Amino acid sequence: DSGVTQTPKHLITATGQRVTLRCSPRSGDLSVYWYQQSLDQGLQFLIQYYNGEERAKGNILERFSAQQFPDLHSELNLSSLELGDSALYFCASSAAGWEETQYFGPGTRLLVL
Amino acid sequence: AQKVTQAQTEISVVEKEDVTLDCVYETRDTTYYLFWYKQPPSGELVFLIRRNSFDEQNEISGRYSWNFQKSTSSFNFTITASQVVDSAVYFCALSEASGANNLFFGTGTRLTVIP
Repeated sequence: DSGVTQTPKHLITATGQRVTLRCSPRSGDLSVYWYQQSLDQGLQFLIQYYNGEERAKGNILERFSAQQFPDLHSELNLSSLELGDSALYFCASSAAGWEETQYFGPGTRLLVL
Repeated sequence: AQKVTQAQTEISVVEKEDVTLDCVYETRDTTYYLFWYKQPPSGELVFLIRRNSFDEQNEISGRYSWNFQKSTSSFNFTITASQVVDSAVYFCALSEASGANNLFFGTGTRLTVIP
């Protein structure tokens, strides 16, 4: 158990819908990262937040957004969902920045029908 | 530009055999970290080891060992006396000082240990 929690574990929805994925980092960690794992793209970085502020952006679509709240939990919002958004979405947390080990949550498996 | 290459897509070994997973990386940074993560069939990503670019000392931890060679930009991972529970996908990853704080992952190597 990494100490990072993600809810829900599974999510099935329809095209065009909007979903919210939730992540709670390990106790004391200030950085939260979101990654997408799909068969064709592999593991890709989406976005990072540090202590409530956006720190870095990767290959995140405009239809996707995220935020980190004062209690440091984070939410990833996916809207206007397409079939290709079906993937495993991971949240990771680290104490601070790039040099720290990122510990991953169990992931949320999203299926868009 | 950064890149992590895991040329071995799938490896199968018989239980108790040793197996080495290869990882080759590219980076322009002189300061970086290398990682190995394990993804068992249950799907979670489990951290195994982290090495910084200034520490080429190889490490052994139980049945696991790592060989970091900057001269060849390689960070290989060996499992000795493999067990069925080692069956998983193993990812090598890179994090750079000048980068966006994220991990760049290789495409992974699926290891199957046959009883």
